[in-house]
Amino acid sequence: KNEVEQSPQNLTAQEGEFITINCSYSVGISALHWLQQHPGGGIVSLFMLSSGKKKHGRLIATINIQEKHSSLHITASHPRDSAVYICAVWEAFGNEKLTFGTGTRLTIIP
Amino acid sequence: GAVVSQHPSRVICKSGTSVKIECRSLDFQATTMFWYRQFPKKSLMLMATSNEGSKATYEQGVEKDKFLINHASLTLSTLTVTSAHPEDSSFYICSAGSASYGYTFGSGTRLTVV
Repeated sequence: KNEVEQSPQNLTAQEGEFITINCSYSVGISALHWLQQHPGGGIVSLFMLSSGKKKHGRLIATINIQEKHSSLHITASHPRDSAVYICAVWEAFGNEKLTFGTGTRLTIIP
Repeated sequence: GAVVSQHPSRVICKSGTSVKIECRSLDFQATTMFWYRQFPKKSLMLMATSNEGSKATYEQGVEKDKFLINHASLTLSTLTVTSAHPEDSSFYICSAGSASYGYTFGSGTRLTVV
């Protein structure tokens, strides 16, 4: 069973700061998802990646398959970025089931 | 992009009644949909995989008779919480997609059983 760990669990930062959220997993995967969950509960998929790096606006996601580690970065953070960020992985050669991390609660203070 | 619509977003029901939650893929066909449950301050847990035209595949520990899943068409899956009890109060969310193309999530349903 894949263990997915995120750090930090909670993060509070000032507006404009550079944010990094980390995700580590224990077994090989076929792909990793970064999700954003807002207070109402709705979930938005930010990135799906299996290698390298992806960028969308102020968000950057990287993954190192050998080290079983991914990071989500937010540049020039803004209060509207406040949310819970969740990483989720598919195991390689397994069923198409996602294993979720416990999430990182990000609060950006104006 | 792919859109998944989930309804209702919030529901309050009396103990002993049943509640149906719908999950629709609006602009694509989904042979497989997934139902998750999230407890407060906990991560999402997969409840079952809904397969169009066949029985759902339930995760260990999830009661099939309690959480009825029907996937009658390529765009609609329903989750019915039968004889709901307060301990069933939770946030339920569906998703559709694949490991190849990515997942799209519904907006979730917050169920409160009183």
